[in-house]
Amino acid sequence: DGGITQSPKYLFRKEGQNVTLSCEQNLNHDAMYWYRQDPGQGLRLIYYSQIVNDFQKGDIAEGYSVSREKKESFPLTVTSAQKNPTAFYLCASSIVGGEETQYFGPGTRLLVL
Amino acid sequence: GENVEQHPSTLSVQEGDSAVIKCTYSDSASNYFPWYKQELGKGPQLIIDIRSNVGEKKDQRIAVTLNKTAKHFSLHITETQPEDSAVYFCAAPTGANNLFFGTGTRLTVIP
Repeated sequence: DGGITQSPKYLFRKEGQNVTLSCEQNLNHDAMYWYRQDPGQGLRLIYYSQIVNDFQKGDIAEGYSVSREKKESFPLTVTSAQKNPTAFYLCASSIVGGEETQYFGPGTRLLVL
Repeated sequence: GENVEQHPSTLSVQEGDSAVIKCTYSDSASNYFPWYKQELGKGPQLIIDIRSNVGEKKDQRIAVTLNKTAKHFSLHITETQPEDSAVYFCAAPTGANNLFFGTGTRLTVIP
């Protein structure tokens, strides 16, 4: 059963804590993406990666970090420097970057305690 | 870089009527325009896309039209049903190997 999985579905963060969101795909896609979704603001790009061991900042990278050690995995860490982390986080992948269909995971909702 | 504007932000239609959502883009070099549907609490799903070598593409009740001269593309849903109620996003490629998404249209189909 191919696709993109994200975990956990809900995540709670305490003040000053770093948390990591998981994203895994078994579609053999080279490119992977992280988006943040706030009500009424659509999808904003945090980071993207076109190939293993390489990634680029998106429009709102401050307070976030990523790694791409394996083709199928692209975890996102929300650091304590991100002062307003409450949002719905979406991971996506595509065969290659650019003019290709992106396939989205089910999302992780991050809430601050 | 690319900028995409999407209108309207909300749209209510009676069941059976048609719905039209329009997006404009800024980069004339863009050649791929997808539309996504997002249901509450879920990730967006691709419903239709179009490349610039055609002006229209249909898939049952859904169609997308593209006007490259005017730099706009539209989603058309005919014979709307309650299950069409969702948020719809358009997107266009940036020059940096990713997509720029519109701000979304919340479609409500009234039974």
